[in-house]
Amino acid sequence: EAGVTQFPSHSVIEKGQTVTLRCDPISGHDNLYWYRRVMGKEIKFLLHFVKESKQDESGMPNNRFLAERTGGTYSTLKVQPAELEDSGVYFCASSRNDGQPQHFGDGTRLSIL
Amino acid sequence: QKEVEQDPGPLSVPEGAIVSLNCTYSNSAFQYFMWYRQYSRKGPELLMYTYSSGNKEDGRFTAQVDKSSKYISLFIRDSQPSDSATYLCAMSGSTGFQKLVFGTGTRLLVSP
Repeated sequence: EAGVTQFPSHSVIEKGQTVTLRCDPISGHDNLYWYRRVMGKEIKFLLHFVKESKQDESGMPNNRFLAERTGGTYSTLKVQPAELEDSGVYFCASSRNDGQPQHFGDGTRLSIL
Repeated sequence: QKEVEQDPGPLSVPEGAIVSLNCTYSNSAFQYFMWYRQYSRKGPELLMYTYSSGNKEDGRFTAQVDKSSKYISLFIRDSQPSDSATYLCAMSGSTGFQKLVFGTGTRLLVSP
């Protein structure tokens, strides 16, 4: 069974530009989560999809971040426009249902210059 | 104050030692407790999870939860150099494994 896959593994962009991160969850997993780790801090929750619906987006930092999961399969997280404080590692995780723990991808390392 | 506190380490031990990793938390609503292992440039890998209080053992790993003290532990017996990694505790509330709250992680170094 393939794990959670994230693209790209690393992205370097300039402040003000737009970046889109992609996550492909484990096949059959209805729950998809985005997390972020900024330098020196703990991993923090951003949002949770159940299929194509946003279940909880309480962790999204501001309206520069837009997450989508069209068709309930893969998800994208767009940052527009990117700011310096958006630098960090963005993780995606998925689970089959609420009764199962989450499995993580290897993350996208985002650097804003 | 952070919801979950975890000593960042690094914790250095010789091969074969018993390792104790710990987290404390402040939110009494946490019901699910997880330990993840993370190697450099990789994502968190689920090691063990427990619900509510008690112990759980899996091979060389034992997880303990003491809800009365708001304290969780992970013990690694007969530690190996391949155990060198960052260990993250994570917790969630009664609705299940949603919205995990993480500690900062403890870096473990096991020397041959």
